[in-house]
Amino acid sequence: DAGVIQSPRHEVTEMGQEVTLRCKPISGHDYLFWYRQTMMRGLELLIYFNNNVPIDDSGMPEDRFSAKMPNASFSTLKIQPSEPRDSAVYFCASSFMVGTGANVLTFGAGSRLTVL
Amino acid sequence: AQSVTQLGSHVSVSEGALVLLRCNYSSSVPPYLFWYVQYPNQGLQLLLKYTSAATLVKGINGFEAEFKKSETSFHLTKPSAHMSDAAEYFCAVSKTGGFKTIFGAGTRLFVKA
Repeated sequence: DAGVIQSPRHEVTEMGQEVTLRCKPISGHDYLFWYRQTMMRGLELLIYFNNNVPIDDSGMPEDRFSAKMPNASFSTLKIQPSEPRDSAVYFCASSFMVGTGANVLTFGAGSRLTVL
Repeated sequence: AQSVTQLGSHVSVSEGALVLLRCNYSSSVPPYLFWYVQYPNQGLQLLLKYTSAATLVKGINGFEAEFKKSETSFHLTKPSAHMSDAAEYFCAVSKTGGFKTIFGAGTRLFVKA
């Protein structure tokens, strides 16, 4: 398996533009997570899905952020309109519940977003 | 609610020296605890996990961590540091059977030749 695949790896955009980040989880994983990493706030969980259904979106910062998972192999995180404070590295991770019940995450390489 | 606190945002050791990265957790229920490592421009990778089976947990690359309930700690150690261990290390917690994993702020490890 190629692991969790994220695109684009780097995105530079101007304030007010729409940004779409994409994620392909590992086949067979039924949980998908979106995290945001910044120097100031560290790693923050934004939202997670189980079997394509959003379970907890309490970490989504505001209505400008939205996430979808139309099928088991694809998810998007959209920011509209983008603002400079959205600049961060956005990680997608997927998992399945192993026998011990521990939720082990496999992360993608991340999408580095810069909003000018 | 669960949380973790990592003591020290930066730790510097000499090659061959002991590595000790500190993590304290807070949890109202028995936790699952994890250490992840992040190399530059990469995602996080699992080093090891504690799931209540054994208090001393061995992970990859010679790392291990000990769960101490009385101290609410889960410190990461490695007897002898290698240059390749230079990275950022994250302690994380989740509830038993839970899916939300909460990460600490991270500790950047520097290894001097």
